Amino acid sequence: QQQVKQSPQSLIVQKGGIPIINCAYENTAFDYFPWYQQFPGKGPALLIAIRPDVSEKKEGRFTISFNKSAKQFSLHIMDSQPGDSATYFCAASTEGSGNTGKLIFGQGTTLQVKP
Amino acid sequence: GAVVSQHPSRVICKSGTSVKIECRSLDFQATTMFWYRQFPKQSLMLMATSNEGSKATYEQGVEKDKFLINHASLTLSTLTVTSAHPEDSSFYICSATNQDRGYGYTFGSGTRLTVV
Repeated sequence: QQQVKQSPQSLIVQKGGIPIINCAYENTAFDYFPWYQQFPGKGPALLIAIRPDVSEKKEGRFTISFNKSAKQFSLHIMDSQPGDSATYFCAASTEGSGNTGKLIFGQGTTLQVKP
Repeated sequence: GAVVSQHPSRVICKSGTSVKIECRSLDFQATTMFWYRQFPKQSLMLMATSNEGSKATYEQGVEKDKFLINHASLTLSTLTVTSAHPEDSSFYICSATNQDRGYGYTFGSGTRLTVV
């Protein structure tokens, strides 16, 4: 029940395309859903995050769509660029006492954006 | 913005020796720090959660005597891999957060450990 399932495992798009990465969860206590970008040999960097009280959030070229009833959320990258080529992880956590809940990560999606 | 510094970025050690990895929050007080392990082309697996001044809570299957965690101050947590073996070779990443800052987990840049 603590799992976050992410798909696809890998994704190749042309420059300008809109890659979409999907995640699903079971634990209805999750209330924080971030997306991270990781380059080889680096730690993950927060891209965008959403709480379950909204269905969509946009920050720059990144959009999260959230479907609370389906327990699914997705990341859309608009006008993708070769520099977006990286591994993307979704995650989920519970607030608990403040924001000290454990982050549970999805399996990751390796994105390649071709020039 | 919140910054977490992790050191060293790479370390090679001999089998049987111990290695210490430091994780520092540079511009905020980290009430909670998390340690993750990541194998090549895999996701981050949580190893343990530490709160300042108290013992770390280890995830199931993580040997607490092998992976010693010390969160002695609000800005520093250390992970010591004791009696390291080649199978401990991995990418170790820390994350820090502060409950008073609202949501947000800041990650360090990771440490590549190679045990030879």
